[in-house]
Amino acid sequence: AQKITQTQPGMFVQEKEAVTLDCTYDTSDQSYGLFWYKQPSSGEMIFLIYQGSYDEQNATEGRYSLNFQKARKSANLVISASQLGDSAMYFCAMREGYNTGKLIFGQGTTLQVKP
Amino acid sequence: DAGVIQSPRHEVTEMGQEVTLRCKPISGHDYLFWYRQTMMRGLELLIYFNNNVPIDDSGMPEDRFSAKMPNASFSTLKIQPSEPRDSAVYFCASSFETTRETQYFGPGTRLLVL
Repeated sequence: AQKITQTQPGMFVQEKEAVTLDCTYDTSDQSYGLFWYKQPSSGEMIFLIYQGSYDEQNATEGRYSLNFQKARKSANLVISASQLGDSAMYFCAMREGYNTGKLIFGQGTTLQVKP
Repeated sequence: DAGVIQSPRHEVTEMGQEVTLRCKPISGHDYLFWYRQTMMRGLELLIYFNNNVPIDDSGMPEDRFSAKMPNASFSTLKIQPSEPRDSAVYFCASSFETTRETQYFGPGTRLLVL
């Protein structure tokens, strides 16, 4: 069965520094997708970045990049130049199977950015 | 373009009452998803629709939960009768097609069943 694991319940980072949030996954599918979402204290879920299993390049979106290591089954989120507004819960998710809508979410990592 | 709209944003009800949560997906999106978020179980997919047809309802916890999508711009999630353990945040999300497109979430409905 597919599974997403986020081993860091909480992280701290100094403002303007980079931080890596870990995500490992388990799947027997050859085709899958990996997502990162941000959930600030206000509660909404904000899409950050997507990586397809066949994408050869690591995905990047502004200050967000996804360090995709397929052999290790890891999809870590890297946030560069952290800002106070980055303080939030971050969820890694995997699309289960090909052409299905099912996203499986990890338990999340709470990131706090210190001034 | 407006995002996913959910109503109500907050709902407090008493055990045994019927609760109806509403969702308007992003215009043009083919897929609609209902999720539930709790501290204990995290984010779980309850059900999703494609072109208004339910595709997978295996996440619906029990018969007290039902979901409908009468047209492309409206969906409801109903709990009848509600129980305290149903207290959670319920999210609706929508997307174009599922292979690469991300799901965009609504603001959520925070439900408290007393």
